[in-house]
Amino acid sequence: EPEVTQTPSHQVTQMGQEVILRCVPISNHLYFYWYRQILGQKVEFLVSFYNNEISEKSEIFDDQFSVERPDGSNFTLKIRSTKLEDSAMYFCASGTWQDGGEQFFGPGTRLTVL
Amino acid sequence: GENVEQHPSTLSVQEGDSAVIKCTYSDSASNYFPWYKQELGKRPQLIIDIRSNVGEKKDQRIAVTLNKTAKHFSLHITETQPEDSAVYFCAARDSSASKIIFGSGTRLSIRP
Repeated sequence: EPEVTQTPSHQVTQMGQEVILRCVPISNHLYFYWYRQILGQKVEFLVSFYNNEISEKSEIFDDQFSVERPDGSNFTLKIRSTKLEDSAMYFCASGTWQDGGEQFFGPGTRLTVL
Repeated sequence: GENVEQHPSTLSVQEGDSAVIKCTYSDSASNYFPWYKQELGKRPQLIIDIRSNVGEKKDQRIAVTLNKTAKHFSLHITETQPEDSAVYFCAARDSSASKIIFGSGTRLSIRP
């Protein structure tokens, strides 16, 4: 069964550094998402992406964040200058309306900002 | 925007007993309500979902109910087993976009 994959599984970085989190969505999916989950808290929506542009973003997704689909398979989340409070698990998800709206989550990248 | 409230935050039940988790939502236009189970350090796993044109759905030991008028929905797990121990999240999908709004989660513990 196809799955969403994410790399790396764990990223440790220094405050102020740039990080890029990578995702490979399921191949026939058209909608892509990033969510984050601070340890012990709920999953929060960051951004959705469709047809090579952002379709919606939350207030968390400020100018420090950007997303890109650099080729036909990868979907990336970049944080330009990381802060301590960016430490969280970041989940990528993908979906298609043909599945009735179910979103398939990747295994997550744990980002630790020191 | 949509807001999803979830109760209780923690729930401990005896193995074999039933567990009930309740959620409310604010946007009457929401039409899709998934439930996720999350084990420590893992991704949220969809366990059951319900759409607004249905009042109840069951899958083996798991059932969900939806009351559109009251904007309530609930998860029922019967004959609980140790492997049911996890954090459960209810969620609602915004009707106009496709983002999923999660509740705050319920940590379910099954006592042997």
